Amino acid sequence: DAGITQSPRHKVTETGTPVTLRCHQTENHRYMYWYRQDPGHGLRLIHYSYGVKDTDKGEVSDGYSVSRSKTEDFLLTLESATSSQTSVYFCAIKRDRNNSPLHFGNGTRLTVT
Amino acid sequence: GQQVMQIPQYQHVQEGEDFTTYCNSSTTLSNIQWYKQRPGGHPVFLIQLVKSGEVKKQKRLTFQFGEAKKNSSLHITATQTTDVGTYFCAVTGNQFYFGTGTSLTVIP
Repeated sequence: DAGITQSPRHKVTETGTPVTLRCHQTENHRYMYWYRQDPGHGLRLIHYSYGVKDTDKGEVSDGYSVSRSKTEDFLLTLESATSSQTSVYFCAIKRDRNNSPLHFGNGTRLTVT
Repeated sequence: GQQVMQIPQYQHVQEGEDFTTYCNSSTTLSNIQWYKQRPGGHPVFLIQLVKSGEVKKQKRLTFQFGEAKKNSSLHITATQTTDVGTYFCAVTGNQFYFGTGTSLTVIP
């Protein structure tokens, strides 16, 4: 497998609390991605990173921030969780060759009550 | 972001029937990738199409890229229960944009 670990796997939190999800890779690839998956919406890109401290917004970035201080870790933070952020969150990495596909972690199921 | 429309959203078939899902873009694509996600799992890469009119096969799966590179399809011949899952197309670049997926149910 691609050596991607997401933590936690499941989390329940209350509205208004901050939440941080972690994605860890063992292969030192430049590109890392955060997606959320919701019924009827498929996979939507939240943020992505193309290197340490190099990040950019995706199509649904409002309410989310990211941090990449080390190549191997990409953190997704919900500053103040809302019920609309209840979702399954997937991290993915892309190997550094052109046109490489994405390799996904196992996901984090987040419930905001 | 780049939009890619995928239809149908759901498909129920009897085992042994064929299945097709389509992806359409309003702009010309450099390439397109297809992924499969089993229930409860994560998306897994199946294949990439790059050339205009390209056709690739993986056993019972046939992938096509349109001549204008604006659409693509995945066809499964004689579905089996192991084909159950959601199939996504993805438009690639530094940002990967996914279609909404087609959820396939195979009735034994």
